Amino acid sequence: GAVVSQHPSRVICKSGTSVKIECRSLDFQATTMFWYRQFPKQSLMLMATSNEGSKATYEQGVEKDKFLINHASLTLSTLTVTSAHPEDSSFYICSARSPRTHGYTQYFGPGTRLTVL
Amino acid sequence: DAKTTQPPSMDCAEGRAANLPCNHSTISGNEYVYWYRQIHSQGPQYIIHGLKNNETNEMASLIITEDRKSSTLILPHATLRDTAVYYCIVRTYGQNFVFGPGTRLSVLP
Repeated sequence: GAVVSQHPSRVICKSGTSVKIECRSLDFQATTMFWYRQFPKQSLMLMATSNEGSKATYEQGVEKDKFLINHASLTLSTLTVTSAHPEDSSFYICSARSPRTHGYTQYFGPGTRLTVL
Repeated sequence: DAKTTQPPSMDCAEGRAANLPCNHSTISGNEYVYWYRQIHSQGPQYIIHGLKNNETNEMASLIITEDRKSSTLILPHATLRDTAVYYCIVRTYGQNFVFGPGTRLSVLP
């Protein structure tokens, strides 16, 4: 399957700091990428949809000023968790949508585990 | 909300076929059936998808009933590394994926 990478895979930070997570689509150009969050023993929850060159669309209940998303190129989207707090500790997963010619299948990154102290 | 219903957990003996069911009784004509799996602490992995015909690839087979209201993912020879949560998702092209709780498959030695 297609490869989507995330960096870093794990990050520990102090409360009040900001953390940037990068997501790269390595096998295809992705006009649309997605960010999910997953708490322990729960399923993935969509946070936002990121379209290249435009503002992200956030799901209800997700603070856009806290979770800044930038999709500056067709292969890179970033999620910045601003002023992180312990309740932001979670597993963050990005996904890239393949082109229509490949069925709009979504491929997921390996995830980033964020721990806020 | 997820449009599918899956059993919360299943066990399978190593080397045997694992048959994971999924009900999607409200599926519409232009919705595809996708299967992903998530091994602990990793991102979901795409397995297979189909519209109405049965599909097979190197990982699994997907059997969709004629009325399309249910499907079965078949792992022909399960190994310990197939232990994961398996998600069945229906969506049209371009729709977001909505993940339900999935089925936790445990492959036992």
